[in-house]
Amino acid sequence: AQSVTQPDIHITVSEGASLELRCNYSYGATPYLFWYVQSPGQGLQLLLKYFSGDTLVQGIKGFEAEFKRSQSSFNLRKPSVHWSDAAEYFCAVGAWENAGNMLTFGGGTRLMVKP
Amino acid sequence: NAGVTQTPKFRVLKTGQSMTLLCAQDMNHEYMYWYRQDPGMGLRLIHYSVGEGTTAKGEVPDGYNVSRLKKQNFLLGLESAAPSQTSVYFCASSYSPGRISSYEQYFGPGTRLTVT
Repeated sequence: AQSVTQPDIHITVSEGASLELRCNYSYGATPYLFWYVQSPGQGLQLLLKYFSGDTLVQGIKGFEAEFKRSQSSFNLRKPSVHWSDAAEYFCAVGAWENAGNMLTFGGGTRLMVKP
Repeated sequence: NAGVTQTPKFRVLKTGQSMTLLCAQDMNHEYMYWYRQDPGMGLRLIHYSVGEGTTAKGEVPDGYNVSRLKKQNFLLGLESAAPSQTSVYFCASSYSPGRISSYEQYFGPGTRLTVT
């Protein structure tokens, strides 16, 4: 079965600093990978996704992520963080399971932004 | 286009009470899902549906039942609420398999449930 690990439960960065959120997955086949963001009191919004092809994918709000098969990682990056980026971020892997397309989520990383 | 909506947004129950959470989507998606979100545990799948009239168990189904009588609606029921069911519940929907985009799920805003 697939699994996703987000090693950092909380991260605090200063506004304007760069950001990298870590995600490691375990899956036997080629993974479909996702990053979602959850702002306080809101549902989950898709930031970006990787299905195949270029291993560096661009998403909304200036985020990007790089798929590294050799490291089983899909880390999320942003060159300059804005105060509005404070939220919880979830990495997920998609797999075919039980006649359905299922997502398995990591535990999440809560990002705090210092002014 | 409202996307995925959930009713209610908040609810407080006493132990043993029952309730139903309603999820509705207007994107004509075949698949619908119910998740619960607990601190540090991400989202865990409770039940899902691959089409009208069809449901299946997810990772944490105990204590919950679901029904999908109409394609656009997916109901989650708690027959006898327990404090362990205090959580935030999210509904999601997606296209049916056959295209890669079917892995992308669209989420509702969530229902915060407290069981005392």
